[in-house]
Amino acid sequence: NAGVIQTPRHKVTGKGQEATLWCEPISGHSAVFWYRQTIVQGLEFLTYFRNQAPIDDSGMPKERFSAQMPNQSHSTLKIQSTQPQDSAVYLCASSLGASQNTLYFGAGTRLSVL
Amino acid sequence: SQLAEENPWALSVHEGESVTVNCSYKTSITALQWYRQKSGEGPAQLILIRSNEREKRNGRLRATLDTSSQSSSLSITATRCEDTAVYFCATAYNYAQGLTFGLGTRVSVFP
Repeated sequence: NAGVIQTPRHKVTGKGQEATLWCEPISGHSAVFWYRQTIVQGLEFLTYFRNQAPIDDSGMPKERFSAQMPNQSHSTLKIQSTQPQDSAVYLCASSLGASQNTLYFGAGTRLSVL
Repeated sequence: SQLAEENPWALSVHEGESVTVNCSYKTSITALQWYRQKSGEGPAQLILIRSNEREKRNGRLRATLDTSSQSSSLSITATRCEDTAVYFCATAYNYAQGLTFGLGTRVSVFP
């Protein structure tokens, strides 16, 4: 089992450009979570899907951020018109069920907005 | 605001010593989890302790849960340099909400 796979590992974008981050969950896991990690804010919950349906997106910024899970094998986080404050490590995790189960994290995508 | 919060912010110990990280949380929970994150990696779960459990062990790790004071602790005995990491507690209001993490405690273990 390769674990949760996130691509790319590093992404550099210019201010105003779009960034798409990819996550491949562990096979058989029904829930996928997205987090953003910065030194100042720590690990911030963004959104999560269960059986591909959005369950809780309470942490998603209302503008510019969107997440999708078109099939059970991958999820994407898209940031439109990136801003320097979007620079962070974006982490994806998967689990067998709801958030009270063990989350298995990927290594993250480091996004740098110049 | 954080649903769970660790303290202290940072700890330093020498190899072989024990270390304890504390966590306080703000609401009734069904379970609390402890994670460790090493530099350049995603967090990895150490222990999941349910609300009907008072203590749980995993090798050199021991977690306690006190629902009356809404607090938990994670102790590591016989620390090793590879225990150097940030330790988080995490919980959720309910099964329909995402797991939220505290800001973490940075533990440094020196030879």
